[in-house]
Amino acid sequence: DIVMTQSPSSLAVSAGETVTINCKSSQSLFGSVRQKNYLAWYQQKPGQSPKLLIYLASTRESGVPDRFIGSGSGTDFTLTISSVQAEDLANYYCQQYYDTPFTFGSGTKLEIK
Amino acid sequence: QVQLKETGPGLVQPTQTLSITCTVSGFSLTSYYMQWVRQTPGKGLEWMGFIRSGGSTEYNSEFKSRLSISRDTSKNQVFLKMNSLKTEDTGVYYCARSLHLTTGFAYWGQGTLVTVSS
Repeated sequence: DIVMTQSPSSLAVSAGETVTINCKSSQSLFGSVRQKNYLAWYQQKPGQSPKLLIYLASTRESGVPDRFIGSGSGTDFTLTISSVQAEDLANYYCQQYYDTPFTFGSGTKLEIK
Repeated sequence: QVQLKETGPGLVQPTQTLSITCTVSGFSLTSYYMQWVRQTPGKGLEWMGFIRSGGSTEYNSEFKSRLSISRDTSKNQVFLKMNSLKTEDTGVYYCARSLHLTTGFAYWGQGTLVTVSS
């Protein structure tokens, strides 16, 4: 199984700051046929279901604010949230869907100071 | 609009079988993959399996032969059945929709909490 390692496990920032969350996979998520990385990012607010933010490593889902930016390739990926807002309080998860079983990272808890 | 809603038993006794129904609206099950994901205190988010738009299935081997996913397209419902439940199976079970396997899980149900306890 592909292991997804996220860091940090938690962080606290003030509104307006920029946040970087890292995700590392135990093997490459780059598909040679379509030349894409099969990596998604989800946001889960307290008491809610996960919400898809980013897919194919860097494509923003429709309706997601452009302050959420996904980047990376191969085994190293990053979610950047610029100008964090109070509503961004949530847990964030990366997920690989390159191969089954699809696997998730253990999550990053974002707190707003 | 697209909606997914899970309904489950709430409480299940150890060794018994769990049955959850995901009722969808706003789209056809024959056009999308339907995923099952659970979230437990012990393991976080775990992908359990999916049923393809064509009706074939694939499962996480973690659940070995305990798990079965099926559907009734006429009722717009997808079913999860898992037997031999253990206390570690306690958690929230979600159904989610994906367009093939390239775009992530774009729509999720609200989840249904399952507690395994005697």
